[in-house]
Amino acid sequence: DSGVTQTPKHLITATGQRVTLRCSPRSGDLSVYWYQQSLDQGLQFLIQYYNGEERAKGNILERFSAQQFPDLHSELNLSSLELGDSALYFCASSDYITDTQYFGPGTRLTVL
Amino acid sequence: GEDVEQSLFLSVREGDSSVINCTYTDSSSTYLYWYKQEPGAGLQLLTYIFSNMDMKQDQRLTVLLNKKDKHLSLRIADTQTGDSAIYFCAESMGDGGSQGNLIFGKGTKLSVKP
Repeated sequence: DSGVTQTPKHLITATGQRVTLRCSPRSGDLSVYWYQQSLDQGLQFLIQYYNGEERAKGNILERFSAQQFPDLHSELNLSSLELGDSALYFCASSDYITDTQYFGPGTRLTVL
Repeated sequence: GEDVEQSLFLSVREGDSSVINCTYTDSSSTYLYWYKQEPGAGLQLLTYIFSNMDMKQDQRLTVLLNKKDKHLSLRIADTQTGDSAIYFCAESMGDGGSQGNLIFGKGTKLSVKP
């Protein structure tokens, strides 16, 4: 158990819908990262937040957005969903000193 | 651009050593990581190596880093059926201070035959 929690574990929705994925980092970690894992693209970095502020952006679509709240939990919002958005979405957190990222169990999103 | 490459499959017999190889492109990477993913599960951090090290040993795991050739390897001694999983090599794009997202390889699927 990495100490990073993600909810829900599974999500099934329809094209055009909007969903929110939630992540709670390890106690004391200020940084949260979001990654997408799909069969064709592999593991891709989406976005990073540090202490409530966006720190880095990767291959994140404009239909996707994220935020980190004062209690440091983070949410990833996916809107206008397409079939190709079906994937595993991972959250990771890291501490400032070692920068080692610890991953949550992931949310499996299925878009029908 | 940044790229991390791994072979896709490796099959070994139980009790043998497994060696999983990885090449990376960014010579400024500070840390290099190995993660393990079992079916239906998340990514488990196995080990990492700082870029100024050549080798790191942690129980059955040995990481070798050849910085000149940008080559990283993970050796698993006395491989067990429970080691069957996908192993990901990753490089950090930062230099500490929570500045580095990870660039992952596509993963090597290790199959251990009894």
